[in-house]
Amino acid sequence: AQSVAQPEDQVNVAEGNPLTVKCTYSVSGNPYLFWYVQYPNRGLQFLLKYITGDNLVKGSYGFEAEFNKSQTSFHLKKPSALVSDSALYFCAVRDIGSNDYKLSFGAGTTVTVRA
Amino acid sequence: DSGVTQTPKHLITATGQRVTLRCSPRSGDLSVYWYQQSLDQGLQFLIQYYNGEERAKGNILERFSAQQFPDLHSELNLSSLELGDSALYFCASSGQEAGPQHFGDGTRLSIL
Repeated sequence: AQSVAQPEDQVNVAEGNPLTVKCTYSVSGNPYLFWYVQYPNRGLQFLLKYITGDNLVKGSYGFEAEFNKSQTSFHLKKPSALVSDSALYFCAVRDIGSNDYKLSFGAGTTVTVRA
Repeated sequence: DSGVTQTPKHLITATGQRVTLRCSPRSGDLSVYWYQQSLDQGLQFLIQYYNGEERAKGNILERFSAQQFPDLHSELNLSSLELGDSALYFCASSGQEAGPQHFGDGTRLSIL
C-alpha cells in the first residue's frame, strides 16, 4: 500500500519570504516522489521528482524539494515566493516495487502568497 | 501545454444518462491514467491502461469503464449517472517507468 499526507490544508506567506509545503509518505518499498501544482480550471503541472540520488531535487519555477528517508518526508520549498505561486500543490508517491505506475496523491495544500 | 488533450472540456447532463470522455495522450506515451477530482474525495485514481491493456484499477465504480485503442487514445465511459458523479475527470499519460505523469486540463462533468 502507498499513501501521502499533506498535513496543512493552507499555507499563507508574504511575497519574498520562503515557502515550504509539507509532505510525508508511506510505501512498502522505496518511493518515487513527485510534486505537482494546479492552477484554477487547469490540470496538474509537474514540478519535480525524486527517484534516487541527491536528496535535494531542483525543479521548475525555482522550486526544490528535500527527500528525507528517515522521516519519510518530501517537503517542497522555494526560497522567495511570488504572488504567482498561489495555487494548489499536490505531493504524490509511487512504490518503486509496484508493477503498475499508479500514483497516490495527497489531499493538496492551497498556497496563498500575499503581495 | 502538457501535450495531453481531453474532450469535451465541459459536459452537462442528467441523472441516469451515459457519457463518454476522450483523451489523447502525449505523442509516444503508452500509459494512460484516469483520475476523478472532487471536493470531498480529492484526487482519486480510477484506472490505468498500458499499450491497450488494463494495467491497474483503483476506486472505479462498476458503472464506469474505460478502454485504450490501438492509436493509444483512451475513452472513459460513465453510465447510469448520479448526482455524486459530478466532478473533474483528468487523463494523464506517461512514457518511461520512472517518468512523471502529464495531465490534461480535464473534463468538468455536471449532473443535474
